Amino acid sequence: DIQMTQSPSSLSASVGDRVTITCRASPSISSYLNWYQQKPGKAPKFLIYAASSLQSGVPSRFSGSGSGTDFTLTISSLQPEDFATYYCQQSYSTPYTFGQGTKLEIK
Amino acid sequence: QVQLQESGPGLVKPSETLSLTCTVSGGSISTYFWNWIRQPPGKGLEWIGYIYSSGSSNYNPSLKSRVTMSVDTSKNQFSLKVSSVTAADTAVYYCARGTRYSSGSSVWYFFDSWGQGTLVTVSS
Repeated sequence: DIQMTQSPSSLSASVGDRVTITCRASPSISSYLNWYQQKPGKAPKFLIYAASSLQSGVPSRFSGSGSGTDFTLTISSLQPEDFATYYCQQSYSTPYTFGQGTKLEIK
Repeated sequence: QVQLQESGPGLVKPSETLSLTCTVSGGSISTYFWNWIRQPPGKGLEWIGYIYSSGSSNYNPSLKSRVTMSVDTSKNQFSLKVSSVTAADTAVYYCARGTRYSSGSSVWYFFDSWGQGTLVTVSS
């Protein structure tokens, strides 16, 4: 199975901050990387596919980059509704696997 | 706007079979991949497998011996069965639509619509 590792596991930030979450794949997955946002008690919400393509309706303050083994999700200016847990997920091969999640908390 | 809704027992006894159904509304079940994903309390996400509208399937090897998925296109529903459950199968179970999107020579795959999830507890 392809291993997905996110860092940090948790992150404290303030409204208006720029934050970056990292996801590492082993082995390489080209650009077959998706990002999801999950709020407590809710289903994950799809944000980004192909490492950097924004799903329709997702605010432009979200961006993704990377290829191969190293990827990032950046939120350019945190809004109150962005505090949530973020997961990366590889779609390079089955079984599809997720990172362990990064919990973004209010400082 | 497609919507997915899981249904099934919230409590299953150890060694028995967990059965869930996902009803798809607002769109056709055809030409998409229909997935089950679970999340143990306080933990991360685990992909269980998918079934295509044609009936072909792909399961996570970690669960393959215990999992069966089926699809009923006439009812716009698909189902999950997990046999011989233990406490380790306690989780929120999500159904999710898998979409394949072709761009150039690449085919991207992602879970773009999810059900609200249903908690299944394995306990006697």
